[in-house]
Amino acid sequence: DAGVIQSPRHEVTEMGQEVTLRCKPISGHNSLFWYRQTMMRGLELLIYFNNNVPIDDSGMPEDRFSAKMPNASFSTLKIQPSEPRDSAVYFCASSRTGVSGYTFGSGTRLTVV
Amino acid sequence: SQELEQSPQSLIVQEGKNLTINCTSSKTLYGLYWYKQKYGEGLIFLMMLQKGGEEKSHEKITAKLDEKKQQSSLHITASQPSHAGIYLCGAGYNTDKLIFGTGTRLQVFP
Repeated sequence: DAGVIQSPRHEVTEMGQEVTLRCKPISGHNSLFWYRQTMMRGLELLIYFNNNVPIDDSGMPEDRFSAKMPNASFSTLKIQPSEPRDSAVYFCASSRTGVSGYTFGSGTRLTVV
Repeated sequence: SQELEQSPQSLIVQEGKNLTINCTSSKTLYGLYWYKQKYGEGLIFLMMLQKGGEEKSHEKITAKLDEKKQQSSLHITASQPSHAGIYLCGAGYNTDKLIFGTGTRLQVFP
């Protein structure tokens, strides 16, 4: 079991550029969650999917953020255009219905300059 | 507003000392999760408490759930440097998504 795999681990980009974060959940897990962590706001849920379908995107900050899950083994979180205030650590987590606890990836540290 | 408040926000203890971290919910709890995050890394699942009065232990870490007080406490006995990190409580509030608390930073010095 390779765990939840996120890429890249670190991303530095210029303001205005498009950023794509990637996540591969654990095989057999049917729920996937994207979180953002900052010092000011802590760990915030952005969006989650169940069986590849977006269920709740109420945490997505604004239209610049979008997330997709084209299949059970891959999800992306895209920011276009990026802004300095988007700088944070973005985590992906997955879980299986009926099994307690999420498994988190190692996160992507995004810096927008 | 924050649904889950943790206290203290940060804690510095000497190795060997006991400590307690609290997590208080503003809404009815239907179970509570505890996670640990090492600096610069992802969250590691510690334990889940489902019923009022339930108590679970993992190595030297014990957590309890008080549903009436809408509160959980996490207690570390004889702390070690390996216990250092950020401890987060999380709750689902009868949904599939977990909302996390504000976090408690723990440092343990020799």
